Amino acid sequence: GNSVTQMEGPVTLSEEAFLTINCTYTATGYPSLFWYVQYPGEGLQLLLKATKADDKGSNKGFEATYRKETTSFHLEKGSVQVSDSAVYFCAQYNNDMRFGAGTRLTVKP
Amino acid sequence: DTAVSQTPKYLVTQMGNDKSIKCEQNLGHDTMYWYKQDSKKFLKIMFSYNNKELIINETVPNRFSPKSPDKAHLNLHINSLELGDSAVYFCASSQAGGLADTQYFGPGTRLTVL
Repeated sequence: GNSVTQMEGPVTLSEEAFLTINCTYTATGYPSLFWYVQYPGEGLQLLLKATKADDKGSNKGFEATYRKETTSFHLEKGSVQVSDSAVYFCAQYNNDMRFGAGTRLTVKP
Repeated sequence: DTAVSQTPKYLVTQMGNDKSIKCEQNLGHDTMYWYKQDSKKFLKIMFSYNNKELIINETVPNRFSPKSPDKAHLNLHINSLELGDSAVYFCASSQAGGLADTQYFGPGTRLTVL
């Protein structure tokens, strides 16, 4: 069946550090892949998405590339800010929506 | 303008009570969802409604019943509340069709059962 596995948190980084949050998926067919972000006390917001292999989604300095050969969609940012502190969810859509367990990121000044 | 709204934002109630959470979207979307987020932040889909028809029910107890009076509203009614129902419940909506189905989430309702 369809599922998403992302690295467990929490992740704590200093400001301007490089961020990687790993995400892999299992699916029949070709899912669309997403990263959602949940800031403290708020609902989820779409951060970026990719709909086919080799597509790169990007937004607010975050990037993720749809890698069909490794079934991965890792989230990266070159220089994190304190305001990036949130919980990040990897997700796939393939007839239904499946979310990963979420990774909490804390960025310290 | 709020795209997906939920009421109430917080709900504290006793075990055994019946409660409802309301959700409305003004995006003109055809599909609405209810998710449950537990204390560990794990998000699990509960229901999906497409044009007033239930299309997903992920092994949710029948104490939970979604009600959709029209395609802009999907309310969640919970009977005989239990301690384990304490969680944050998120409503979401998306446009039907296609595999790149971006969902728009409401702000969540934090339910606490005492």
